[in-house]
Amino acid sequence: QVQLVESGGGLVKPGGSLRLSCAASGFIFSDYYMSWVRQAPGKGLEWIAYITSTSDTIYYADSVRGRFTISRDNAKNSLYLQMTSVRAEDTALYYCVRDGVGAMPDFDYWGQGTLVTVSS
Amino acid sequence: QSVLTQPPSVSAAAGQKVTISCSGSSSNIGNNYVSWYQQLPGTAPKLLIYDNNKRPSGILDRFSGSKSGTSATLGITGLQTGDEADYYCETWDTSLTAVVFGGGTKLTVL
Repeated sequence: QVQLVESGGGLVKPGGSLRLSCAASGFIFSDYYMSWVRQAPGKGLEWIAYITSTSDTIYYADSVRGRFTISRDNAKNSLYLQMTSVRAEDTALYYCVRDGVGAMPDFDYWGQGTLVTVSS
Repeated sequence: QSVLTQPPSVSAAAGQKVTISCSGSSSNIGNNYVSWYQQLPGTAPKLLIYDNNKRPSGILDRFSGSKSGTSATLGITGLQTGDEADYYCETWDTSLTAVVFGGGTKLTVL
C-alpha cells in the first residue's frame, strides 16, 4: 500500500535551517509528481512546493520562494524540503503529498506530517 | 486571505444533504479542475473529489462534486456524524502558477 513517511521536523530558531524528508513506498515513486503542503496550528491547508517526476519543473508558493527548496531522489524514493531563513509563521505540520491521476494537481495520498516549530 | 472562498461553517441534520461552495475566479476555478478534501479531526486530509466530479476508489457516492463558471460545489447526502470534519476545495491558479486551497469549511451534523 502507498505510504509516505515524513521526518526531520523539530524546534528551530528564527533564521535557522531544517531539512525535511519523506520516504515513499508502495508505488513507483519516479512516476509521480509530489508536493509539500503545510498546516499551521488551528489553520487551513497551504500548498508550498511542487516538483515534477523528473524534477524538471518546480513551483513554490510566494510565502516560501527563495527560502525553501524542494527536491527529490528517485533512486532513494525520497522527497525533501530544505528550509532556510525560517520564520515564526513557518510553524506548521508539514505534509508530503502525492499528486494523483487527475488533470490538475490533486493530492491522493498524504503522509502523517512532521511538525516544525520556529521559536527562540 | 484565501484565493478560493468557502463558508467557514455549514450544518445540517443527520440523514439530510448539505452543499459546500467554493468561489474563485477565471484564473483558477474558471479554467481548471477542482478537487475536494475531507479532514477529520486529528488526521491528514483525504481526497474526496478530483477533476470536478470524479471520486477516487473507495469514496462513497454520497459525496459528489460539480462546477459552474468560477464556482464549485461539494455535495454530501445521507449525512452521518462521522462526516463531521473540515472540507477544503483546491485547484491550480494559472496566474499565480500555484496550487490554491480554500480556507476550509467546518461541517457540523446536528
